[in-house]
Amino acid sequence: AQTVTQSQPEMSVQEAETVTLSCTYDTSESDYYLFWYKQPPSRQMILVIRQEAYKQQNATENRFSVNFQKAAKSFSLKISDSQLGDAAMYFCAYRSTSGTYKYIFGTGTRLKVLA
Amino acid sequence: DTAVSQTPKYLVTQMGNDKSIKCEQNLGHDTMYWYKQDSKKFLKIMFSYNNKELIINETVPNRFSPKSPDKAHLNLHINSLELGDSAVYFCASSQDLVVMSTDTQYFGPGTRLTVL
Repeated sequence: AQTVTQSQPEMSVQEAETVTLSCTYDTSESDYYLFWYKQPPSRQMILVIRQEAYKQQNATENRFSVNFQKAAKSFSLKISDSQLGDAAMYFCAYRSTSGTYKYIFGTGTRLKVLA
Repeated sequence: DTAVSQTPKYLVTQMGNDKSIKCEQNLGHDTMYWYKQDSKKFLKIMFSYNNKELIINETVPNRFSPKSPDKAHLNLHINSLELGDSAVYFCASSQDLVVMSTDTQYFGPGTRLTVL
């Protein structure tokens, strides 16, 4: 069975600085999708970035980028020029491309942005 | 326009009651999901429906019964509520069950259920 691990329950970053959130996963599949979701205090789950496992190039969305290391099964999220609005819980998620295609979420990392 | 909506946002009820949470998506998606997020923020899938057909049914007590009257709606009915059912319940939808290049899950705002 697939698992997703986020080893950092909480992280802090100074406004305008860069922070990296870690995520590792375990799977025997070769093709899958990885996601980072953001959950602000409003509780809404918001997609931040998506990575297809078959793509070697790391995904980038404005200030958000990932470091996808397929062999190491690592999928970290880098937030550049951190803003106060980035403060939230961040969830890493894995989605299989076979079977029931269900999502598996990590336990989340709470990011605090200090002014 | 709200893509995925849930009602109610807050639900406070007594143990033993029966309650329902409604979910609607206006994205034209084929697949809808219910997740439970516990007090430790752990997000776990409960059910998934694809074109009104149950696809995923995790180990969830049979007091929980999803109902999909049409592709745009997936309601969650809970019988005989227990203290341990207190959590935030999220509805979500995605384009299709089969992963496509545009695959993304869109989440509703969540329903905080408190069982007293």
